[in-house]
Amino acid sequence: GAVVSQHPSWVICKSGTSVKIECRSLDFQATTMFWYRQFPKQSLMLMATSNEGSKATYEQGVEKDKFLINHASLTLSTLTVTSAHPEDSSFYICRVQGLGDYGYTFGSGTRLTVV
Amino acid sequence: GENVEQHPSTLSVQEGDSAVIKCTYSDSASNYFPWYKQELGKRPQLIIDIRSNVGEKKDQRIAVTLNKTAKHFSLHITETQPEDSAVYFCAASINGNNRLAFGKGNQVVVIP
Repeated sequence: GAVVSQHPSWVICKSGTSVKIECRSLDFQATTMFWYRQFPKQSLMLMATSNEGSKATYEQGVEKDKFLINHASLTLSTLTVTSAHPEDSSFYICRVQGLGDYGYTFGSGTRLTVV
Repeated sequence: GENVEQHPSTLSVQEGDSAVIKCTYSDSASNYFPWYKQELGKRPQLIIDIRSNVGEKKDQRIAVTLNKTAKHFSLHITETQPEDSAVYFCAASINGNNRLAFGKGNQVVVIP
């Protein structure tokens, strides 16, 4: 099956700093990557959809200037949380889709804690 | 947009019994319905999925049924085992494309 790597698995940062999260597809070309946020004991909320080589599409209510997404290659997408605040603390997880399917594979997730 | 509702929020069953989780969706254009299992601190894992041209799908102890008219789909787990304890999420495609909207999740506890 598809292998998706997400890094880092956890990170603690100070308020006001920025954090970059990477999502890599290791054994297939990811045409589309989806970024989700999951608060404790809650569901996965879609934040944005990124297609290789084009600008990300953000869901309503998600600030594009705060959550910067770059999908520069078919194997890598990055999410940068800029000027992080404690309320940004959450579990961020990517989902990857290859050609011709809906994409069954999630990354391992990143636990972000902003102090 | 798509609204996915999942019931019940928690479910406790005796080992060996069956568990059923139901989801409803609002978007008539939805055509793909996956179920994910998420253990604590881990990534969601796809366990079964169904497309809108099929009414039922089974994989060993797990089955999914879809009623397009009523816009609901259900996950059935038979002969439950302690390792089935997890949070289960249903999802539905948005506008018939590859984006997914998730339900709020169901905590299933299998009591040995």
